[in-house]
Parts: sequence; C-alpha cells; structure tokens
Amino acid sequence: AQRVTQPEKLLSVFKGAPVELKCNYSYSGSPELFWYVQYSRQRLQLLLRHISRESIKGFTADLNKGETSFHLKKPFAQEEDSAMYYCALRSGGYQKVTFGTGTKLQVIP
Amino acid sequence: EAGVAQSPRYKIIEKRQSVAFWCNPISGHATLYWYQQILGQGPKLLIQFQNNGVVDDSQLPKDRFSAERLKGVDSTLKIQPAKLEDSAVYLCASSLIWAGNTEAFFGQGTRLTVV
Repeated sequence: AQRVTQPEKLLSVFKGAPVELKCNYSYSGSPELFWYVQYSRQRLQLLLRHISRESIKGFTADLNKGETSFHLKKPFAQEEDSAMYYCALRSGGYQKVTFGTGTKLQVIP
Repeated sequence: EAGVAQSPRYKIIEKRQSVAFWCNPISGHATLYWYQQILGQGPKLLIQFQNNGVVDDSQLPKDRFSAERLKGVDSTLKIQPAKLEDSAVYLCASSLIWAGNTEAFFGQGTRLTVV
C-alpha cells in the first residue's frame, strides 16, 4: 500500500526566511511525486512535479529515493506563499493519486 | 480551458437524508476522481473512473455511497443515508488517461454539512 506522510500540520516562518515542507512516502515501486497547493478560497492546484525537475514560484523539490522523501523548499519565503501544501504520490497502472494530510504554511510579515 | 465544474457548492442536510453531487470534468479527460476531504485532513480517494468504468473504489463506503459516470463524461456521487461523519468537502478531479506529465485538475468542491 502507498502512503504519504507530512509530519507538520503548521509551519510558521518569517518573510524572507527559508522554507522546507517535509514529505515522506512509502511505495514499493517507482513513484511519481507532486506538490499541490491550495490558497485561501481557491481550488487545489498543482505546484510542481518531480518528473519535470522544475522551479515554480521559487519552490523546488528533489526526490530522494534513498530517504523516500520529496521535501519542498524555497530559499526566501514571501507572504503570498501562505497556503495549504499537499504532497501527493501517483502510482500504478491506473494512476491512483494519494495525498498527505497537508501542511499549512504561514508566512509572517 | 474550462475547469472542472462541481455543483452544488454547499449543501446542508439532516442525518439519514440523501444527497447527490455532480461533476463535469475537463473535456477529453478520461480519468475522473472523487475525493473526500474532512476538515484538517488531506483528500482521501473515494472512487476513480477510467472513462465509465470503475478502477478503484476500495475506500468507498459502499453501504451508503454510490457513484456513476454515465457515458464516460459527467459523474454523480450519492450518499444515502447520510451520517454526521460524512460532513466534509467532496472534491472532483479529472486528468488525461496517459501517464507522464499529466496532472489532476480539481473542482471547487462541494461542502457538505450533515446536522
């Protein structure tokens, strides 16, 4: 069975400080990992995916298969980054997507 | 492109009543998901369709929940009878069938309150 763990329910940082949102997963095969974000009163949307190795809004995430982690990082937090962040794993022939419990990022001005 | 549409946005019902939610996915998206998101938790997959066939409903409480996707496009999720613990946001999402750089696009959700 696949599982996604986000250990922090809330992460508060000051504007300009570095951010790291933790995500660990368990899956026996080769996973696809994603970060989704939900801003206040908006729908859940994709932030980035490991397969693209991209940087979106200054955020990056590296898949570490040895540690089974996919932490989300940003060097300098902005107020507009305040949101709920969900780590997700997609697997299997039918592309089942499993979400973590989410971390609320609060950027303090 | 138009997004995933869901209705209603909000619904309040009494326990033991029935309720239905509707979802219209993005045109051309073969995969459709229904998620339940209880306050403070992440989305939990209830059922996944590939076209009009069910490929995963392992976490769907089948004694009270049902879903269908007629003609492989729109979908409805029904709860009958509702319980207090069904209070949650019900999210519909869709994606292209192929693997690779596909992502799931989400609707705004339906917030259900069971009193």
